[in-house]
Amino acid sequence: KNQVEQSPQSLIILEGKNCTLQCNYTVSPFSNLRWYKQDTGRGPVSLTIMTFSENTKSNGRYTATLDADTKQSSLHITASQLSDSASYICVVSKRGSQGNLIFGKGTKLSVKP
Amino acid sequence: ETGVTQTPRHLVMGMTNKKSLKCEQHLGHNAMYWYKQSAKKPLELMFVYSLEERVENNSVPSRFSPECPNSSHLFLHLHTLQPEDSALYLCASSQGRDSLNTEAFFGQGTRLTVV
Repeated sequence: KNQVEQSPQSLIILEGKNCTLQCNYTVSPFSNLRWYKQDTGRGPVSLTIMTFSENTKSNGRYTATLDADTKQSSLHITASQLSDSASYICVVSKRGSQGNLIFGKGTKLSVKP
Repeated sequence: ETGVTQTPRHLVMGMTNKKSLKCEQHLGHNAMYWYKQSAKKPLELMFVYSLEERVENNSVPSRFSPECPNSSHLFLHLHTLQPEDSALYLCASSQGRDSLNTEAFFGQGTRLTVV
């Protein structure tokens, strides 16, 4: 079954600290993996997109990693800011099927002052 | 802003009402999608339109009826909904069929409450 599992479900950190969010997937055949940030009550916004040949990709303070062998990805946030408080969603695209994005449930991150 | 606009942002409707959600994209994309996001559940794909033709319908109840009059506009017509249909409805668009770097851009969503 094609699934995307994220951990932790929720996370609280202090402003300025780093954190790492995890994503494990069983989607096959794999096309790409994306991380989205979703503020409460708003649509998701893309942070990174990685294909099977990419191990790491950065977008400012966000760094995503991908291990296609173990089917694991992580999103590392450096020097967190209050505005980083949001849900972070891991999304895996299945090759050969348009629109077939498999979404994780997301990790709800709260950054406290 | 992502270039995908949804209206209204919030909607409260009774179970006997008929309403429509609207989505408009200004990105020149040729594929548009409707997703449903319920509390504590992953986004669920409802419908996919590619080149104005419906290519996927994920067993969505007939009380949800999509319409794609052109590549820039997508509607979701609602009638006789149930309280469990209350959710955030997200529209997205992308360019082309599934490719390695196809990016899906989401609208802000419509928060629907069925009373």
